[in-house]
This record gives sequence, structure tokens and C-alpha cells, in this order.
Amino acid sequence: DAGVIQSPRHEVTEMGQEVTLRCKPISGHDYLFWYRQTMMRGLELLIYFNNNVPIDDSGMPEDRFSAKMPNASFSTLKIQPSEPRDSAVYFCASSFLGIGNTEAFFGQGTRLTVV
Amino acid sequence: DAKTTQPPSMDCAEGRAANLPCNHSTISGNEYVYWYRQIHSQGPQYIIHGLKNNETNEMASLIITEDRKSSTLILPHATLRDTAVYYCIVRVRAGTASKLTFGTGTRLQVTL
Repeated sequence: DAGVIQSPRHEVTEMGQEVTLRCKPISGHDYLFWYRQTMMRGLELLIYFNNNVPIDDSGMPEDRFSAKMPNASFSTLKIQPSEPRDSAVYFCASSFLGIGNTEAFFGQGTRLTVV
Repeated sequence: DAKTTQPPSMDCAEGRAANLPCNHSTISGNEYVYWYRQIHSQGPQYIIHGLKNNETNEMASLIITEDRKSSTLILPHATLRDTAVYYCIVRVRAGTASKLTFGTGTRLQVTL
């Protein structure tokens, strides 16, 4: 398996524009997590899904952020409109919470810069 | 999830054992101790986890005290490639409370 795949790896956009980050989890995994990392706040959990259903979105900073998981192999994190303070590295992770398999696998991240 | 406390930074000479401590004095009986690390610019990487017994795998060893209020991650022969931020996390293993909450971690610098 190629692991968790995120795209794009880098995104530069202007303030006010819509940004969509994409994630393909590892096949067979039933949990998907979206994290944001900044120097000031470290790694923050934004939202996670179980079997494509959002379970906890309490980390989503505000209504400008939305996440979807239309099927088991794809998820998006959308920011509309984007602001400079959204600049961060966004990580997607997946895991299978079966017996003996409880580690989460992270993608390489998307570095977002909003100017 | 129980809160963890880790030193902000540590140094280790290459080839020596790196011992990274973690305090989790409020850990519950059904919470596991997990360790992840993050090498610069990469996503976090799972290292090891345990409940109450010591654990060992190809990457590291995990020593959990008998009262489970603290643990130590041991990298037996640290290399320069082990330079990273190491996160200690405690959480319930499965079910709806399955999220990973990262603290500030320990920045390990392995030197020649």
C-alpha cells in the first residue's frame, strides 16, 4: 500500500480564495483524521471520521472550515474563504481500530500558505 | 484522555541509548500509552504502545511503571536519523474515544 496520500503537497493562495485539501486513506482503514500544525499551536485535531461519518468536529476552528468523506477512499478539507492565519501544514491520518491494529498512519501533509 | 508531561528537549550522543520520560499520573485503567515521533517536515510516525507490560519492537522499548503513572521510551542505539520530536499520548484504545491528542512532545537531538 502507498500509505496515506495527500494532495497537493504545497498550496499558495490569496486571501479570500477557496482552498480544498484532499486525502486518500489506506485501504481498509475505518478512521480518518484531519490535523493542523503550526509553530504556535502544535498539532491540533480538527475532525475525525469513522466509517465515513464525522464523529468529532470540535476542533474545526470556525464555519469557514468544512470536511467531507463521501466514501471510504476519499476525504476533503475545505476552507472558504481562506485567511492568512490559516497558513499551516495540514495532515491527514487513517487507522484501523481492529484488535492489534491501533496505530494511525499519517500522510506527508499539505503546506498551505495564504497570502 | 489523560494529560501527559514531557521534557521539552533532550540531547543524546549517537550510539548511546536515548531514554525519553513521560508522566501521565491521571491515566485511567483502560488507557494505553502510545509513542509517536515526527521528523522534521514529515507526518508523525507510530513507534510503540502498551497498557501495563513493558513492550519492545524493532524501533524501541517502552517501560511502564507498575503504578502506570509514568513511562520511558528507550531508543537503544540512537542515530542521527532519530533526531525528531517525540510525543507521548495516552488514550482509550478503541471505540468512539479513539482520537489522538498530541501535546508539545520532547525534541530529541542526537549528536555526533
